Amino acid sequence: EVQLVESGGGLVQPGESLRLSCTASGFIFNIYWMTWVRQAPGKGLEWVANIQQDGDEKYYADSVKGRFTISRDNAKNSLFLQIDSLRAEDTAFYYCARGGPGSTCDYWGQGILVTVSS
Amino acid sequence: DVVMTQSPLFLPVTLGQPASMSCRSSQSLLHSNGNTYLNWFQQRPGQSPRRLIYKVSDRDSGVPDRFSGSGSGTDFTLKISRVEAEDVGFYYCMQGTHTPLTFGGGTKVEIK
Repeated sequence: EVQLVESGGGLVQPGESLRLSCTASGFIFNIYWMTWVRQAPGKGLEWVANIQQDGDEKYYADSVKGRFTISRDNAKNSLFLQIDSLRAEDTAFYYCARGGPGSTCDYWGQGILVTVSS
Repeated sequence: DVVMTQSPLFLPVTLGQPASMSCRSSQSLLHSNGNTYLNWFQQRPGQSPRRLIYKVSDRDSGVPDRFSGSGSGTDFTLKISRVEAEDVGFYYCMQGTHTPLTFGGGTKVEIK
């Protein structure tokens, strides 16, 4: 059974940093692109970033470029999202999902809440 | 960036009756490889999104056959042949052809 479990969220102050993790199981992690999607409370879905199987190719939404860094550790079946210089508008549920460009996001994690507030 | 526009925003439906929603893209979603990467997702209240449809009309495993997708180019439709109570929630289209990937704003399906 495919499972994606996010962790690392919480309440942080503006300007601080956070590192989200997503642990994958039930499939061969290193043959899939992986994606982060976020959803502000009561709002729609926003694609954030994705990363190729070997980590060489990465793409970001303009809204997060320069502050967010996506990475992965295939030996640990793990996906990461480093978020720097957090802003109030980054408050959202962050989901990891399997897949990249094309027919994407066929499996999703349960999501992790990041709240940015002073 | 490709803008995805969904309509209607709200879709009141009667149990057992059909429902239909639209998704339009600002550019053609036909990829140079011949595929059209238009995906549909369902998000029930309090749950993570779930993919229903990929490549316009291919249903994911376990998705009831009352859900169907159609369309081409820039115009796409998701239909529910007979709405059931468990279909309540938001539906999002998402294009995977062009980077950055983009979602539509969603259609909220509710029972009348």
